[in-house]
Amino acid sequence: QSVLTQPPSVSGAPGQRVTISCTGSTSDIGAGSAVHWYQQLPGTAPKLLIYRNNNRPSGVPDRFSGSRSATSASLAISGLQAEDEADYYCQSYDNSLSAWVFGGGTKLTVL
Amino acid sequence: QGQLVESGGGVVQPGRSLRLSCAASGFTFSSFGLHWVRQAPGKGLEWVTVVSYDGNDQDYADSVKGRFTVSRDNSKNTLYLQMNSLRPEDTAVYYCASSGVGARDDAFDLWGQGTMVTVSS
Repeated sequence: QSVLTQPPSVSGAPGQRVTISCTGSTSDIGAGSAVHWYQQLPGTAPKLLIYRNNNRPSGVPDRFSGSRSATSASLAISGLQAEDEADYYCQSYDNSLSAWVFGGGTKLTVL
Repeated sequence: QGQLVESGGGVVQPGRSLRLSCAASGFTFSSFGLHWVRQAPGKGLEWVTVVSYDGNDQDYADSVKGRFTVSRDNSKNTLYLQMNSLRPEDTAVYYCASSGVGARDDAFDLWGQGTMVTVSS
């Protein structure tokens, strides 16, 4: 069972907007730890998508955006494209466990 | 463009050992913290261990503490993971990833392609 909780799956039609939630606790997100998001295309290694809550690395389209609140964070993808179909993971640091932690992952299906 | 390339995976019997390597190129290896992250077949990502940019500090997930040892050779631009007393639940793809200096809030910004470790009799 993952420390950070994500929905197992989300879906949307091309052009639509979807959001993926990441729920933590007062030990991680609620303690102020940064949240990062990764995209894992089928059969490939993860790739950094959003860092430190809401920053995009060079080359990541602005269709991807991140936000956070007290003990949770969200990834929003607008203008869905077929190539966005992938697994998405949130990640933070848990101060109680003294460990880097991931969400269980969310599979995005583009209908 | 930085690159990380893992090697050393394979099939090993329970209780045996294996050493993974991660060769880096295209960036100043000695300036970055490095992690190992694993992914069991069909499962999510699990952080395994981190080593600081200078190799002086390490940390481990509880699931591997006392069995796995991370090290690095900055003269060879290579990261290592010595895995002892392997268990079937250690079966996974093992990725190396770089992250700033290895601080708590640094993202894993560069990943290798992974190497598969299968623990089975």
